[in-house]
Amino acid sequence: EVQLVESGGGLEQPGGSLRLSCAASGFTLTNYDMHWVRQSAGRGLEWVSSMDVAGNTYYADSVRGRFTVSREHAKNSLYLQLDSLRSGDTAVYYCVREGTGGHIDPFDDWGQGTMVTVSS
Amino acid sequence: EIVLTQSPDFQSVTPKEKVTITCRASQSIGSTLHWYQQKPDQSPKLLIKYASQSMSGVPSRFSGSGSGTDFTLTINGLEPEDAAAYYCQQSSALPVTFGGGTKVEIK
Repeated sequence: EVQLVESGGGLEQPGGSLRLSCAASGFTLTNYDMHWVRQSAGRGLEWVSSMDVAGNTYYADSVRGRFTVSREHAKNSLYLQLDSLRSGDTAVYYCVREGTGGHIDPFDDWGQGTMVTVSS
Repeated sequence: EIVLTQSPDFQSVTPKEKVTITCRASQSIGSTLHWYQQKPDQSPKLLIKYASQSMSGVPSRFSGSGSGTDFTLTINGLEPEDAAAYYCQQSSALPVTFGGGTKVEIK
C-alpha cells in the first residue's frame, strides 16, 4: 500500500525557515516523479515544486529561489526546504506521487498534509 | 501559465439530482485534464483522469467529458457521501494548475 507521510510543519516567523519531510512507503520514491502541492484558503490548490526520476527540479515562480526540493534514496524520503518564508506561504503542504505513463501524469497519491503557518 | 476557470463556485443539491461542474482552460490542453474530489479534512483524491477515464473504485455516477478548452464533470444522481469540493487540474505543461474548486453541498 502506498503511503506518504509529511512532517515538519509548524509556526514560523516571516523570514524564517522550515524543512518539510515526506516519508514514502509501499514504493520506491526515486522511481517516480514527486511533487509538493500546497493549499490555502485564499489561494486554493497550488503546485509548488517537483523532482523527476532523473533528479531534475522544478519550482513555481512564487517560490523559486526560496524553496529547495531534494530526496534521499536510503530513507525513501522527499524534502522541501522553505527559506525566507512569507505570510503568503501559509498553507497545508501535501507530498504527492505522480502517476506513470505520460509527460506529466495526474497525481495518484497524496499525503495527509502538514500545516505551515508564517506569522509574527 | 494555463488558467483553469471552474464554475459554479458552490452548488447546493438535493440527493438524486444531477450535478454538472465545468472547467474552462485558458488555452487548448487536449485531454490533459483531471478531476479530484476533496472531502472535509481529507486530501484530494483523483476521480477522473485525462478528461473521461474514471479511476478504479469510483462510482459509475461520476463521469467526465470534454477536450481542448472545455470540460465537464457530471454526477448522475447525487448521493449524500458526494458532499465535497471538486477541483480540475491540467497537466499539459508546468506549472501544473488547478481550478478554483466547486463546493457541492447536500440540501
